[in-house]
Amino acid sequence: EAQVTQNPRYLITVTGKKLTVTCSQNMNHEYMSWYRQDPGLGLRQIYYSMNVEVTDKGDVPEGYKVSRKEKRNFPLILESPSPNQTSLYFCASSPTRVSKETQYFGPGTRLLVL
Amino acid sequence: GQQLNQSPQSMFIQEGEDVSMNCTSSSIFNTWLWYKQDPGEGPVLLIALYKAGELTSNGRLTAQFGITRKDSFLNISASIPSDVGIYFCAGQRNNDMRFGAGTRLTVKP
Repeated sequence: EAQVTQNPRYLITVTGKKLTVTCSQNMNHEYMSWYRQDPGLGLRQIYYSMNVEVTDKGDVPEGYKVSRKEKRNFPLILESPSPNQTSLYFCASSPTRVSKETQYFGPGTRLLVL
Repeated sequence: GQQLNQSPQSMFIQEGEDVSMNCTSSSIFNTWLWYKQDPGEGPVLLIALYKAGELTSNGRLTAQFGITRKDSFLNISASIPSDVGIYFCAGQRNNDMRFGAGTRLTVKP
């Protein structure tokens, strides 16, 4: 089954404790991205990757890092999480960035930073 | 970056009623997309629009790409309880993709 998976689905952590949210897709998609969803703000892009070893900042990259060592995986790293990073995070993938194919979203990771 | 202006923020309707929501922007987009998000899930694409003026249907859903390329609307006809969820519009232009804040739809049986 074609899908985007994220782990963990729920996470409670404390300020400053490094964490990683994994994202994996099994569709051989080139393009992957991370979004955060906050009430009243919709989805805002954090980082995106056009292909392996190619990443770029989205609208709200501060406090986040990503890597794309393999095509299928695109982990989101919070080196020193802060309470304002409490949010719902979505990973997404699509065949290419400017393609007309749909962007597939993962199920989301709900993060609470105390 | 500026997100899209989506309205209304929420709607409470009776089963069987029609629904309309829209998105506007100060920027031009090449593609308009409408997504639905169910509780605990990621957004799922409902309709994609690629040309100004284009009107596209998907079952009870109809969406249009505004002539100015700065707006789009989504209509749902004869709503049913499973239409409940949050609907997002998105505009795409080259490497730039923006989302609206969402319209939360509640359907009363």
